Amino acid sequence: QKEVEQNSGPLSVPEGAIASLNCTYSDRGSQSFFWYRQYSGKSPELIMFIYSNGDKEDGRFTAQLNKASQYVSLLIRDSQPSDSATYLCAVNTRGTDKLIFGTGTRLQVFP
Amino acid sequence: DVKVTQSSRYLVKRTGEKVFLECVQDMDHENMFWYRQDPGLGLRLIYFSYDVKMKEKGDIPEGYSVSREKKERFSLILESASTNQTSMYLCASSSGQGGEKLFFGSGTQLSVL
Repeated sequence: QKEVEQNSGPLSVPEGAIASLNCTYSDRGSQSFFWYRQYSGKSPELIMFIYSNGDKEDGRFTAQLNKASQYVSLLIRDSQPSDSATYLCAVNTRGTDKLIFGTGTRLQVFP
Repeated sequence: DVKVTQSSRYLVKRTGEKVFLECVQDMDHENMFWYRQDPGLGLRLIYFSYDVKMKEKGDIPEGYSVSREKKERFSLILESASTNQTSMYLCASSSGQGGEKLFFGSGTQLSVL
């Protein structure tokens, strides 16, 4: 079992819709969860982080964490073509500052 | 803004060559990391460092070594480059104060022929 799992996609959504990206992780001791966005040919950039169960909202982005189910998700409201990218889920390794990354989900937002 | 600078955007080397990839960060971050990124495999950690002259192996350290002589600089060394080390190499840094928010450099696409 991979430590951090994501569906590779592509996930295709129309402009204006809600895009829902999901991630599961195996280490129950993980405490920090991150979403990175990576445009083609570019390096990853941090867009959201969450430490506690529940929802965290930042503009059009909402991160959701359910530690009991070992599940973290990213919702993008009012999706725009500029949101088309690969979204990487990352989870910390218990007791360290190391992050384990999923392989990413490719999102396509079409006009 | 945090700036993480990698010395080369593209690099072409021959099998058996010794290769140096340099990374510099300007935010006085404690932690520095080297990842490689391959299609379908995602980001994999090669080595990381929590302090000057300190290094720890990541998940795929074989064939690589690192050097951190100054806090701002973290070098990745391929002692004898092989074709299976053709990849995108990404350097990252983080503050190390309980926060694991990584800031990435722009990456080095290394091709080993």
